[in-house]
Amino acid sequence: DAGVTQSPTHLIKTRGQHVTLRCSPISGHKSVSWYQQVLGQGPQFIFQYYEKEERGRGNFPDRFSARQFPNYSSELNVNALLLGDSALYLCASSIGTSSYEQYFGPGTRLTVT
Amino acid sequence: AQKVTQAQTEISVVEKEDVTLDCVYETRDTTYYLFWYKQPPSGELVFLIRRNSFDEQNEISGRYSWNFQKSTSSFNFTITASQVVDSAVYFCALRKAAGNKLTFGGGTRVLVKP
Repeated sequence: DAGVTQSPTHLIKTRGQHVTLRCSPISGHKSVSWYQQVLGQGPQFIFQYYEKEERGRGNFPDRFSARQFPNYSSELNVNALLLGDSALYLCASSIGTSSYEQYFGPGTRLTVT
Repeated sequence: AQKVTQAQTEISVVEKEDVTLDCVYETRDTTYYLFWYKQPPSGELVFLIRRNSFDEQNEISGRYSWNFQKSTSSFNFTITASQVVDSAVYFCALRKAAGNKLTFGGGTRVLVKP
């Protein structure tokens, strides 16, 4: 079975631009969570979606938004990019909204110049 | 608010040595879950273990063992007879009973030299 997939793998953007990151969960998993991992730090929770509804939001500005589609894939959108948004963005997939295990994808490395 | 502290930022050992990673957590919840994840250079987080707050039994899985002590809010991880393939960043994480939000520590980089 395929694991969690994320696209693109790497991305370079300029300050002020907009970016969309994509995540496909493991088949049968209905919940997707997004994390931001700045170099040298632990991942920080951004959003959780379950059955297309937002179930949790971390301490991130409104420039960050996400959505989940009927096939349970998800997009993370970031507007008005700042240099500080440069990070590894990780997507985690789980069966339900309070699942024991979450399975992480390989991440998208975003560089803002 | 929940918080996880991993005081050791980097540990360097020679192959076959044992290495213990410390994790201290803070939470006001009575029910919670603790996790350890491994992050190799490829970047993907690999799940290692989950512990719930009511289960203080220590666990051993191969060369890995975990020591959960609720009285000191600690969940330490030991790699016995370390190997070069154990080189990675290890994260301790905490989760409430409800929801999937994980609160991670800052991570400990383990470097195992041959």
